[in-house]
Amino acid sequence: EVQLVESGGGLVQPGGSLRLSCAASGFSFDDYAMHWVRQAPGKGLEWVSGINYDSYSTGYVDSVKGRFTISRDNAKKSLYLQMNSLRAEDTALYYCVKDVDSGGNSQFDHWGQGTLLTVSS
Amino acid sequence: DIQMTQSPSTLSASVGDRVTITCRASQNIRTWLAWYQQKPGKAPKLLIYKASSLESGVPSRFSGSGSGTEFTLTISSLQPDDFATYYCQQYHSFYTFGQGTQLESK
Repeated sequence: EVQLVESGGGLVQPGGSLRLSCAASGFSFDDYAMHWVRQAPGKGLEWVSGINYDSYSTGYVDSVKGRFTISRDNAKKSLYLQMNSLRAEDTALYYCVKDVDSGGNSQFDHWGQGTLLTVSS
Repeated sequence: DIQMTQSPSTLSASVGDRVTITCRASQNIRTWLAWYQQKPGKAPKLLIYKASSLESGVPSRFSGSGSGTEFTLTISSLQPDDFATYYCQQYHSFYTFGQGTQLESK
């Protein structure tokens, strides 16, 4: 059974930093692209960042470029999101998401339960 | 950037109804479109991919159609478990979700 378990969320002051983690199990992690998708309270879904199977290719939504960095450790079957210069508008539930393809640009077939980031003073 | 627009934003329907949700893309995305269902407090669930392919385990009352810029998700006979929010997503160029359609009980 595919499992994606996020951690690392919490309350951070504006301008602060945080790193989210996602522990994957139940599938061959190093065969698939992975993503972070967020959902602000009461709002819709927004793709944040993605990384292909071997970390060669990454992508970001414009609003986080230069502030967030996605990475993965295939040996540890883990996905990460380093978030710097955090803003109130980054407040959201962050989902770790599995792609169906190694390179990305496909549908998302498994989602974690999310970890909540709150940016507030 | 590709924008995705869903309609309606809210839909009231009854068990047994045939329901259709529309998603429009701001440019041609061929058939690179997925539909997801999300229930309160839960993660989204993949229903349809490549515009019309049914994800394994999803009931056959769900179907998708369309290509280019206009797409539809149809539920042929609404069941109590189907009341939820539905999102379309393009994956032609990066990823963009529609704003969501909340399907509620009439």
